[in-house]
Formats: sequence, C-alpha cells, structure tokens
Amino acid sequence: QKEVEQNSGPLSVPEGAIASLNCTYSDRGSQSFFWYRQYSGKSPELIMFIYSNGDKEDGRFTAQLNKASQYVSLLIRDSQPSDSATYLCAVRGDDKIIFGKGTRLHILP
Amino acid sequence: DTEVTQTPKHLVMGMTNKKSLKCEQHMGHRAMYWYKQKAKKPPELMFVYSYEKLSINESVPSRFSPECPNSSLLNLHLHALQPEDSALYLCASSQDPLGETQYFGPGTRLLVL
Repeated sequence: QKEVEQNSGPLSVPEGAIASLNCTYSDRGSQSFFWYRQYSGKSPELIMFIYSNGDKEDGRFTAQLNKASQYVSLLIRDSQPSDSATYLCAVRGDDKIIFGKGTRLHILP
Repeated sequence: DTEVTQTPKHLVMGMTNKKSLKCEQHMGHRAMYWYKQKAKKPPELMFVYSYEKLSINESVPSRFSPECPNSSLLNLHLHALQPEDSALYLCASSQDPLGETQYFGPGTRLLVL
C-alpha cells in the first residue's frame, strides 16, 4: 500500500515567521511531488511541484525534496494570515497521484 | 487559462433521484479525473479518463457512472445514491495521463437525503 504521511496539525505559526510543513512517502519509485493549498470549503490549488532533489523556490514558498530519505517539505516565509489553510502533499507514482491527509496551518496575527 | 469549471455548485438529491455532475476544461488537456472528498479528508480518486477512454476505476460503486462525451467534457451520472455519498466532488484535468500538474475545478457539493 503506497502511503503519503503528513502531520494533521494544527500547526500554529506567528505572522511573519517561517512555516515548515513536512511529508513522507513510502514508494521509493515516486517521481513527482506536489503541494496543494486548500481553504475550507474550496477545491485544492496547486502551489508548488518538485521533481529533483534539492530546493525549489517560488516567491515566499520553497519546496525541498530528499529522495534518499523519502521526504518532501514546504517552507512558507513571512507567513501571512491568508496562508491559513490545509496543505496537501501529493506524490505521483506509476499511474496516479496519492494525497496525504493534509496539515492544517494556522497563522497567528 | 487554467480553468476547470463544474456545475452545479451545490446539489441536493433524494436516494431515488438521478442526477448528473458536469465538468469542462478548454486547456486541451487529455486526462480528466473525478475525485470525492469528505470533510477533513484528502481527495480520493474515483475515475481517470485518458484520451476520452476510462483508464482507472478505483472500485467505485456502480451507482456512480462516468462519461466522457469529448475531450473537453466529463460527466458523472448519479443514481440511487446513499446518504454516505454526500461529499465534495472534484473534477481535475492534466495535460496527459502522465501530466504532472492536475488543475482542480471548484467542486460540486452534494447532499444525499
């Protein structure tokens, strides 16, 4: 059974600080990794994807991938109250994407 | 344009009703997906259409029947649903079945009475 694990949270972070979200996956053959943001009652919105080991930065967001450790993370710098949402880690294997259960992030004003 | 549209936004139906959910994309994507999402849970894959053919059915009960009339449209026909089928139904599309980026529609919130 291929699994994607995330801490459900809530993760509370002061406004302006760095929020760090973590995800581990079981399928060593996984090829692509995604972070989606989902506000309550809304659909998931893709915010980052990463394929290669290392860091990938886009604005305030940085995705980090370590395939040897089967670990992917998302850093959000200068956290804003609008970043409060559930963050879904998704991992692509051979034929489909598997979602983690999501981490609820709460940015404290 | 990265928009996937879904109609209706909300749907209430009885267990004996027949209804359909619709999804449309005009990005030229050749793979389309139906997901079901319950509250505080991740999306669960139901069906994948690849080049208008059903390629994955995640053992979904037959009371859910997908249809792909053309490369831009995806329907989900509902019949004899149960209250536990109440959920947010999400449509997504990607460039191709191995496409890395799936774009989600806004979803249809379904309530079965």
